[in-house]
Amino acid sequence: DQQVKQNSPSLSVQEGRISILNCDYTNSMFDYFLWYKKYPAEGPTFLISISSIKDKNEDGRFTVFLNKSAKHLSLHIVPSQPGDSAVYFCAAPIDRGSTLGRLYFGRGTQLTVWP
Amino acid sequence: NAGVTQTPKFQVLKTGQSMTLQCAQDMNHNSMYWYRQDPGMGLRLIYYSASEGTTDKGEVPNGYNVSRLNKREFSLRLESAAPSQTSVYFCASSERDRKNQPQHFGDGTRLSIL
Repeated sequence: DQQVKQNSPSLSVQEGRISILNCDYTNSMFDYFLWYKKYPAEGPTFLISISSIKDKNEDGRFTVFLNKSAKHLSLHIVPSQPGDSAVYFCAAPIDRGSTLGRLYFGRGTQLTVWP
Repeated sequence: NAGVTQTPKFQVLKTGQSMTLQCAQDMNHNSMYWYRQDPGMGLRLIYYSASEGTTDKGEVPNGYNVSRLNKREFSLRLESAAPSQTSVYFCASSERDRKNQPQHFGDGTRLSIL
């Protein structure tokens, strides 16, 4: 049973506009979330994270919003650029409060930014 | 600035053959992980090693074994490959000095089993 869900397998956005990638989770005990970005033939790379004590975290063009009551988080990319075209994974630590580092991953959303 | 290195990058096996995927990290991380990625399935944890000398099963361990050879190296072995094990395999590592440290991934091994 998936504990981290990305229900949109793909998203297409015009360059310069906002990209919004969504992620839902089922386990209310999750207290930290990460987004990874993956290009073809490469491994995922860490993009941005958010702790459950916050509802927003921003890093340049990337902002993650967390709505705990809805068990929902979203990644906003503004403005979108063609180089942002990649698969984006949402993830949450399996072991809450631990340094163990195991992660649940969503199935990913393929973002395509067209000129 | 290698990070996590996986070898080989590609491999084709016949059903029943055995194979060891190699992974090494140069970041002095304690924890290492093996994932598989299948189309539409995201990344699923096969095995992990919290520290040198320890290994534990993840979500999908059947058909695999692992060895944490030393702090740097963590290998994944398929003893008798099956077509269902055709996948892209990723190795990752992370620190254990604090919680919620992001994992660093290698570029994957693309494995096809005929």
